[in-house]
Amino acid sequence: NAGVTQTPKFQVLKTGQSMTLQCAQDMNHNSMYWYRQDPGMGLRLIYYSASEGTTDKGEVPNGYNVSRLNKREFSLRLESAAPSQTSVYFCASSAYRGQDQPQHFGDGTRLSIL
Amino acid sequence: GIQVEQSPPDLILQEGANSTLRCNFSDSVNNLQWFHQNPWGQLINLFYIPSGTKQNGRLSATTVATERYSLLYISSSQTTDSGVYFCAVEEGSYDKVIFGPGTSLSVIP
Repeated sequence: NAGVTQTPKFQVLKTGQSMTLQCAQDMNHNSMYWYRQDPGMGLRLIYYSASEGTTDKGEVPNGYNVSRLNKREFSLRLESAAPSQTSVYFCASSAYRGQDQPQHFGDGTRLSIL
Repeated sequence: GIQVEQSPPDLILQEGANSTLRCNFSDSVNNLQWFHQNPWGQLINLFYIPSGTKQNGRLSATTVATERYSLLYISSSQTTDSGVYFCAVEEGSYDKVIFGPGTSLSVIP
């Protein structure tokens, strides 16, 4: 059981380049999330998707777009990368809201923008 | 939006000691979770605890929702407990989860 899988694990970009971070979960979860974690800080929510076909902004959505491709997959796109987006990106998923179902996290994508 | 605070920000313990970590939140929440981020960066859910008390081995957690705080107890700490502990709350708008800044714990032999 893989849980939450993120690809790639590491990436270096130049300013202005674009890329998509991929996330897939195999737990049949409804909700999926993208967070960023900057050095020495907690996680900040970028976007989340409460169910297939819906997405909503979190705390720090500027500069990002997301796609809930299907129930399993939730991708994060940087259209024009900036050095301020250098961070570790985590994808997470959880089952229905209100149930005793915790969030499960992927191992993260370490992204550096030069 | 809701504010989440954690204390202390840093903690150093001798192996075998006990500790209490605190999470305060500024508004009512639908649920609360505690996570451990190990030194390799992996995030592991410890408790899903919107209210009441739960125990799992040497760890236990208590949330008093009416007073807007939660406590994580670590007993007989081990070096493998080192890392950062986060609490995360779900705001009134379901499925939006906000993390606190974390407590960095170092357990020394």
